[in-house]
This record gives sequence, C-alpha cells and structure tokens, in this order.
Amino acid sequence: EVQLLESGGGLVQPGGSLRLSCAASGFTFTNYAKTWVRQAPGKGLEWVSTISGSGGSTYYADSVLGRFTISRDNSKNTVYLQMNSLRAEDTAVYYCAKDVGEDSGSYLDYWGQGTQVTVSS
Amino acid sequence: SYVLTQPPSVSVAPGRTARITCGGNNIGSKSVHWYQQKPGQAPVVVIYYNSDRPSGIPERFSGSNSGSTATLTISRVEAGDEADYFCQVWDSSSYLRVFGGGTKLTVL
Repeated sequence: EVQLLESGGGLVQPGGSLRLSCAASGFTFTNYAKTWVRQAPGKGLEWVSTISGSGGSTYYADSVLGRFTISRDNSKNTVYLQMNSLRAEDTAVYYCAKDVGEDSGSYLDYWGQGTQVTVSS
Repeated sequence: SYVLTQPPSVSVAPGRTARITCGGNNIGSKSVHWYQQKPGQAPVVVIYYNSDRPSGIPERFSGSNSGSTATLTISRVEAGDEADYFCQVWDSSSYLRVFGGGTKLTVL
C-alpha cells in the first residue's frame, strides 16, 4: 500500500524557515518523481515543486523559486521541502504527492494528508 | 505563464449530467488530468490523460479535450459527487505544472 506521510509543519514568523518532510512507503522510491502542492485556506491547489525519481531534475513554481528547495534522501525514502524567507502568503496546507512517472509532466496518483504551515507574527 | 480557467461553481440536480470545463490556450494539445477534493480530504485523481479513468472511479466520470477546452463530465450525478474539482496540465514550454482554479460542484 502506497503511503505518504508529511511532517514538519507549524507556526513560523515572517522571514523564518521551516523544513517539511514526506516519508514514502509502498513503492520503489527512486522510480517516481515526488511533488509538493499547497492549498491556502479556502483556495485552490497550487503546485509548488517537483523532484525527479533520480533526483537529478527539480522544478519550482515562480512564487517559491529562490526561496524553497526540494531534495530527497533515498536511504530514508523521504523527500524534503526547505522553505526560507517565508511570507504570510505561504500559509497553506502542504501536500506531498507521488507522480506516476520518473520525471514531471504527468499526474499525481497518491497524496498524503497534508501538513499545515502558518506564517504569522 | 500558462493559465487554466474553470467556472467557480456548477450546480446540478441528482441524476442529471454535470459538465465542468477547463479552458486554456490550445489545451487540446496537452494532457489534462482531473482531481476531486472533498472537504478536509486530500485530492484524488478521477480522470488522467484527458479521458482515462483510474480503477475504482465510477464509469459515470468521463473526460474530453479538444481545442481550447477540456471537459469533465459526470453522468447520473449523486450526492456523493459533491466536491471541488481541479484540472491540471504540465506546461512543457516552461516546465511548470499548472492547476485550474477549481470548480465547486453542488448537487441540488
């Protein structure tokens, strides 16, 4: 059974940093890209970042480029999202999701339950 | 950047057909995926690659994509179909994954 478990969310002040983790199980970790998607309160889905199965390719939304970094630890089957210079508009539920392919460009077939990030003073 | 446009809301009576559109520049040349999200839950894919349906998704859900509009069609709508629906594409020119703004389906 495929499982994605996010952690690391919480309350952080504007300008602060936070690292989200997504522990994956139930599939061969290196064969599939992993993606972070966020959803602000009462809003729609916003793609944040994707890392390829090999880890050799990364993609970012313009809204987070230069502030967020996606990475992975194959030994722990875990993908991370390092978030720096956080702003109030980064407040959202952050979902980790599995792509159906090795690289981006397809759809997301499994999602975690999300972790809440709140940026506020 | 590439933009996907969805109507904010669609209402339909039980047993009737709901059509949710997703507009984009030459979207017919792209692969469109549709997600269903119920309150407090993570999204679930209901249609992928324009018209394919994952196992476990009722045959009542179907999709099409041509020209500047992709459409998610839900036949014989049930109360349990009430949810937010999002379309999604991969914009290969900018290497960006794009979601539509979402459509709230209300079953009257």
